[in-house]
Amino acid sequence: DAKTTQPNSMESNEEEPVHLPCNHSTISGTDYIHWYRQLPSQGPEYVIHGLTSNVNNRMASLAIAEDRKSSTLILHRATLRDAAVYYCILTNTGNQFYFGTGTSLTVIP
Amino acid sequence: ETGVTQSPTHLIKTRGQQVTLRCSSQSGHNTVSWYQQALGQGPQFIFQYYREEENGRGNFPPRFSGLQFPNYSSELNVNALELDDSALYLCASSLASGYLTEAFFGQGTRLTVV
Repeated sequence: DAKTTQPNSMESNEEEPVHLPCNHSTISGTDYIHWYRQLPSQGPEYVIHGLTSNVNNRMASLAIAEDRKSSTLILHRATLRDAAVYYCILTNTGNQFYFGTGTSLTVIP
Repeated sequence: ETGVTQSPTHLIKTRGQQVTLRCSSQSGHNTVSWYQQALGQGPQFIFQYYREEENGRGNFPPRFSGLQFPNYSSELNVNALELDDSALYLCASSLASGYLTEAFFGQGTRLTVV
């Protein structure tokens, strides 16, 4: 499965927007981009996924570069509950996920 | 709450023993995947079951095996436990139809091998 590269950690102030980047330069045409997050002591939780077009849902937005070699997860107003490890994953095999080490997001009150 | 339940929540086993972990998937979901998460690492894909058949496997030895039952619940079996098998084991259920749908993870089973 194609690999993704994310920063190890990021910080954000509460109630400010957060942009979490992900590079996936070897993405193939059939790879979907998924984002999951894992709060402390919990299993991962679905955030959003997309293929080519930008996507919005109640939790976040996903901005996908035109060449698909990178994407950005946008949390519009960070809350303390958003402190988690965020994983960017590529898959074309029906929810068989190969996780990296993700980005640990700290939200500062 | 995701509707995916795993049991037990914690377990201690001795090296060389065998262990069975259980997962009850969300109602209506016919696909279950298992993951191993070592401390400080992302989850690693072990295998996936779809309608009682193995439907993909990660880079894990054959002593990791599984089952899926007609009600779509699932078991993960690990034989000849090694110290490195100590980890959080996660299962995730999803509805395979529609190809790429949201996966729901359980809270995991924390296995310690001593």
